[in-house]
Amino acid sequence: KAGVTQTPRYLIKTRGQQVTLSCSPISGHRSVSWYQQTPGQGLQFLFEYFSETQRNKGNFPGRFSGRQFSNSRSEMNVSTLELGDSALYLCASSPGHQAGYNEQFFGPGTRLTVL
Amino acid sequence: QKEVEQNSGPLSVPEGAIASLNCTYSDRGSQSFFWYRQYSGKSPELIMSIYSNGDKEDGRFTAQLNKASQYVSLLIRDSQPSDSATYLCAVNKGTSYDKVIFGPGTSLSVIP
Repeated sequence: KAGVTQTPRYLIKTRGQQVTLSCSPISGHRSVSWYQQTPGQGLQFLFEYFSETQRNKGNFPGRFSGRQFSNSRSEMNVSTLELGDSALYLCASSPGHQAGYNEQFFGPGTRLTVL
Repeated sequence: QKEVEQNSGPLSVPEGAIASLNCTYSDRGSQSFFWYRQYSGKSPELIMSIYSNGDKEDGRFTAQLNKASQYVSLLIRDSQPSDSATYLCAVNKGTSYDKVIFGPGTSLSVIP
């Protein structure tokens, strides 16, 4: 089985711009979770989508949003970028049907740099 | 108190030794527990999952769970230089949905 794919792998933006990141989960997986990883804060949960519905959301401002399509692919969007949004954005795929027990498998991540 | 805490590193062990990584969590209702390995510049890789009290072994790795003490550990036997990485403890505290909280990670260095 192919693993989780994320595009683009690297992105450079300037403050105030917006960005869209894409994630394709493992075939058959219906849940996609997004995380932000920074050296200071570690891995922080952004949101989780299952069957096109957001099931859970972390403590991030409304500038961070996401969606999931019928083929389980997911996108996340960050509007009005700030310098502090520079981070590695990780997508994790899981089967999704055993809530509380699902194993998550990470994609390679998108490295976002905001100048 | 952070929801998931790990022993502060960096942890250095000689090649061939046992590396012991520890993790505590605050939510008693947590359902499942995971250990991830993350090499520098790479994404986390799942190495162990554990759901019930006791030990679970997979090759050189043993995960131990004690729900009463809210404690999870990972033992790496016969440590190799290739085990040098950051190890992340993750706890799923969700019930109707997944809510996975990650610890800050412990950096392990295996010295040849």
